[in-house]
Amino acid sequence: QQQVKQSPQSLIVQKGGISIINCAYENTAFDYFPWYQQFPGKGPALLIAIRPDVSEKKEGRFTISFNKSAKQFSLHIMDSQPGDSATYFCASTGAGGTSYGKLTFGQGTILTVHP
Amino acid sequence: DTEVTQTPKHLVMGMTNKKSLKCEQHMGHRAMYWYKQKAKKPPELMFVYSYEKLSINESVPSRFSPECPNSSLLNLHLHALQPEDSALYLCASSSGLAALGDTQYFGPGTRLTVL
Repeated sequence: QQQVKQSPQSLIVQKGGISIINCAYENTAFDYFPWYQQFPGKGPALLIAIRPDVSEKKEGRFTISFNKSAKQFSLHIMDSQPGDSATYFCASTGAGGTSYGKLTFGQGTILTVHP
Repeated sequence: DTEVTQTPKHLVMGMTNKKSLKCEQHMGHRAMYWYKQKAKKPPELMFVYSYEKLSINESVPSRFSPECPNSSLLNLHLHALQPEDSALYLCASSSGLAALGDTQYFGPGTRLTVL
């Protein structure tokens, strides 16, 4: 079974700090790696996504770092704010085979940013 | 506009009831998805429709019956559910142009409680 392993399960940071969440995947056919942010009682919202032809993508305070050879990618949240407190899911998907049309999610990280 | 709408927001039903969940998108997307999400877990894929045809059924029990009346609408018909089916039901859509694995946009979900 193709998996995406996400760590840590929970993370507490102080306001202004850097939050780092890591994911590792197994399926080399994966070619799209989105991160979703989910607040309690809401649906997941796309935060940022990357394809394996680049090693880093930055959007505002959010950066994805991608290491294709290690099959790992991570989310960095700079200057973390209390409003960033949410559950974050990494995901992977790709065309072809059993992964076609299916997002494989990590188990999620509950981020708490203290004021 | 990347909005996916879902109705109702909350639903309580008995095990003998028949109810339906509705999802709508006006982004011109041709792929639509149903997910089930339990508390503190990632979304689990149930069904995928591509160009109004059922493409993926993740071995979902027959008490869940999907329907795609047109390219903008997706329904999930519920019948004889069990208490363990209580969860947040999420609808998502994606362009479906290049591959089914492209960006999926989620709705806010329907919180279902089965008594």
